This record gives sequence, structure tokens and C-alpha cells, in this order.
Amino acid sequence: QTVVTQEPSISVSPGGTVTLTCGLRSGSVSTGHYPSWYQQTPGQPPRTLVYNTNTRSSGVPDRFSGSILGNKAALTITGAQADDESDYYCVIFMPNDMVVGGGTKLTV
Amino acid sequence: QVQLVQSGAEVKKPGASVKISCKASGYSFNYFYIHWVRQAPGQGLEWLGRINPISGATNYAQRFQGSVTMTRDTSINTAYVELSRLRSDDSAVYFCARVREHAFEFWGQGTTVTVSS
Repeated sequence: QTVVTQEPSISVSPGGTVTLTCGLRSGSVSTGHYPSWYQQTPGQPPRTLVYNTNTRSSGVPDRFSGSILGNKAALTITGAQADDESDYYCVIFMPNDMVVGGGTKLTV
Repeated sequence: QVQLVQSGAEVKKPGASVKISCKASGYSFNYFYIHWVRQAPGQGLEWLGRINPISGATNYAQRFQGSVTMTRDTSINTAYVELSRLRSDDSAVYFCARVREHAFEFWGQGTTVTVSS
């Protein structure tokens, strides 16, 4: 069973830069997993931020960026703002599955 | 614009079944897989499976094999997920999502299912 790992919680100061990561319990995340990132606030459906590793979804500000760092996918937020305080999920594509990470609660 | 509109909240007893709908508009329904994801109260997102609108072919997450059935009606651009033998831990918000380039692109508003005796 594929397990996707994320930091349970991270804090960042307003205006600061923070990187959230998305790994595999066994193995490395690569571009072939088409990692994607989602932001969710309570009571709302998730909002798609980044797909295909580093492509921003329409309307997403460029302070959100996706990448591969080492053996993990990463979401970097530069110039963090108060309304970035949310839960963030990464999703890994597998041939017959989509596997969702446990989520990271970001506090600004 | 693309919209996925889901059916309303449901309250069911343990052991019952529930069927949730997801009506698509604003695009060609046949061209994009529909996936289902759920979120239990205070918990993270969990992928249930997907359906190919053209063929009706499905893939389910291993833990939902046998308890989840996904179908579609292309004449009304609607996808369905049915959960059988409901347990209290099936209480969750269920989302449908359109997938493009291996990622969830558009989401339904969510349907709350409460399983309680």
C-alpha cells in the first residue's frame, strides 16, 4: 500500500517563506507521479494550487510554486499571508490510484 | 463555466446504502474522468476511486473494493457513487472531482453523509 507523507503542521511568519514536502514512505516522488497540491479551508472543497509538479492552476498567485526537492515533491510559499493559513494536501498519481497525503496544517 | 453539482445531505442507518450524484455542466462530460474523494470530520482527504465516463470502467481504492460502486449516466451528464453496508466511520463529506493531467481540477461542493442509528 502506497503511503504519502506530509508534515502534520508547519508555522511561518507573515511575509516569510515556507516549504511543505510530500514524500513516499517507500521510494521517491518523481515528476512521473505528477504530484499536485491543494489548499483547503474549513467547510470548503479543496482548491487546486499546483498540478503536474510545478504548473500553477488558473488564478493561483505566483508566490505558490511546486518542485521536486531531493526525493520529495515540494510546495513553496513565498511572502506568506494570513489567508494562507489552511490545510494543504498533496496527491500522487499512480497507474490505478490517486494517493492523498495526510495533509499539513499551515499556521501563519 | 465548469460546474459539478452534488446531491444533498443524507442521513442513513448502519447497514443501509446511499447513492450520491454529481451533475456536470459547462464541458463535455465524456472527456474527463470523475473521481470521488471523502473527508471524515476533522480528518484528511481519502480517495475512493474513479470512473471513465465514456466506457464506465472503474478503479477503486483497495480498501473500498466491494463496498463502493461508481456509475454514470451520460444522457444527463451525471456520475454516481453508491456506498453499501454503511458504518458509522463512513460518515464524511463526499466530493466528486474532475481530473485533468492527473490532478483534481474542479470539485463538487461536497455531500455530507451521516451514518447514525
